[in-house]
Amino acid sequence: QVTLKESGPVLVKPTETLTLTCTVSGFSLSNDKMGVSWIRQPPGMAPEWLAHIVSDDEKSYNTSLKSRLTISQDTSKSQVVLTMTNMDPVDTATYFCARIHKYTITTFNGMDVWGQGTTVTVSS
Amino acid sequence: DIQMTQSPSSLSASVGDTVTITCRARQTIGSFLNWFQQKPREAPKLLIYAGSTLQSGVPSRFSGSGSGTDFTLTITGLQPEDFATYYCQQSYTAPLDFGQGTRLEIK
Repeated sequence: QVTLKESGPVLVKPTETLTLTCTVSGFSLSNDKMGVSWIRQPPGMAPEWLAHIVSDDEKSYNTSLKSRLTISQDTSKSQVVLTMTNMDPVDTATYFCARIHKYTITTFNGMDVWGQGTTVTVSS
Repeated sequence: DIQMTQSPSSLSASVGDTVTITCRARQTIGSFLNWFQQKPREAPKLLIYAGSTLQSGVPSRFSGSGSGTDFTLTITGLQPEDFATYYCQQSYTAPLDFGQGTRLEIK
């Protein structure tokens, strides 16, 4: 059974750095046909794709957030980590990780398994 | 970035109806279009990928079509559990943008 689970702080202060961890099971992060995406969803709004990683060297980022995001993985721990710097109240959202299937180096098929999400509030 | 535009933004229908949601990409994305269903307080659920391929376990009343820039999601014979919000997402090239969503409500 494939599962993903997000973990991280519930509350962060403005200007702080957010670090989120996605722990996966049921598939290997070494599989170069699968990767992990991070997606966030502010209350009442559409999901927003943030980043993904496939193997250790294929990474992509949301265009407008690229300067603030870093995605990495620790295959031995089956974990994918997302850091977002300089947090602001507008970054308050539920953050999800999801498995994604690679089709070619730039194309993908759907995110088929999602974590339950972790809600992050940015407030002083 | 490839902007995705969904219509309508909301839709009222009755159990048993057939509804269609459309999604348009600002540039061609081949068939790399996914549809998700989301219910309150849940993660999005993948319904269809590659434009028309039904994800395992998804009822056959859901179908997708289209390629290039224009895509549709059709639900034939709405069931009570289908009332939710639906999102399209392109997976042709990063950033993998989502549409703004279509809220399907009970009439």
